Amino acid sequence: QSVLTQPPSASGTPGQRVTISCSGSSSNIASNTMNWYQQFPGTAPKLLIYGDNQRPSGVPDRFSGSKSGTSASLAISGLQSEDEADYYCAAWDDSLNGWVFGGGTKLTVL
Amino acid sequence: EVQLVESGGGLIQPGGSLRLSCAASGLSFSTYAMSWVRQAPGKGLEWVSIISGSGDSTNYADSVKGRFTIARDNSRNTLYLQMNSLRADDTALYYCAKGKGYTYGYPFDVWGQGTMVTVSS
Repeated sequence: QSVLTQPPSASGTPGQRVTISCSGSSSNIASNTMNWYQQFPGTAPKLLIYGDNQRPSGVPDRFSGSKSGTSASLAISGLQSEDEADYYCAAWDDSLNGWVFGGGTKLTVL
Repeated sequence: EVQLVESGGGLIQPGGSLRLSCAASGLSFSTYAMSWVRQAPGKGLEWVSIISGSGDSTNYADSVKGRFTIARDNSRNTLYLQMNSLRADDTALYYCAKGKGYTYGYPFDVWGQGTMVTVSS
């Protein structure tokens, strides 16, 4: 059981906009910034969004993050087939004194 | 280019010990907090442990507290994870991950390729 809650799966068609939610608590999402990672099968995770809504260099602006209270969302606009991957939310937890991850969302592009 | 290369994984019997290493290059190693994150086969990511840039502060997930020890040698640009009293549920791919900053709250912006640890008799 992960501390952060994500839907196990999401899907969309090419060109569509999809969102992935992440729910937490006052000790993690509400107190600290949200980060998102993208992971393709057999490869290491890659930082996709940090500081709630900042994109590292090289990440397309089709990817965006938002946060409100104890929840956060990752939005992908103009969905492409190469976006098919697993997505994880993560935040520092002040109560646990450690990083917590969501269980991951498998995104399928139909 | 920043690179992290893990080593030391393998097959180990329950109750055994293993030490993982992560060699870093292309960065001012002591400037950044470093973490270990693991992923059991077919499962999600689980943070294991973190160490500050200087090495004087560490934290652990409850699942490994008292059994695992994180350490770093800044003169060798190397991160370590000493794993004792290993259990079957420690079986996972162990990633070394670099924080974006010196302290704990920075996300992981560089990851290694991982080293597999299998605990089985």
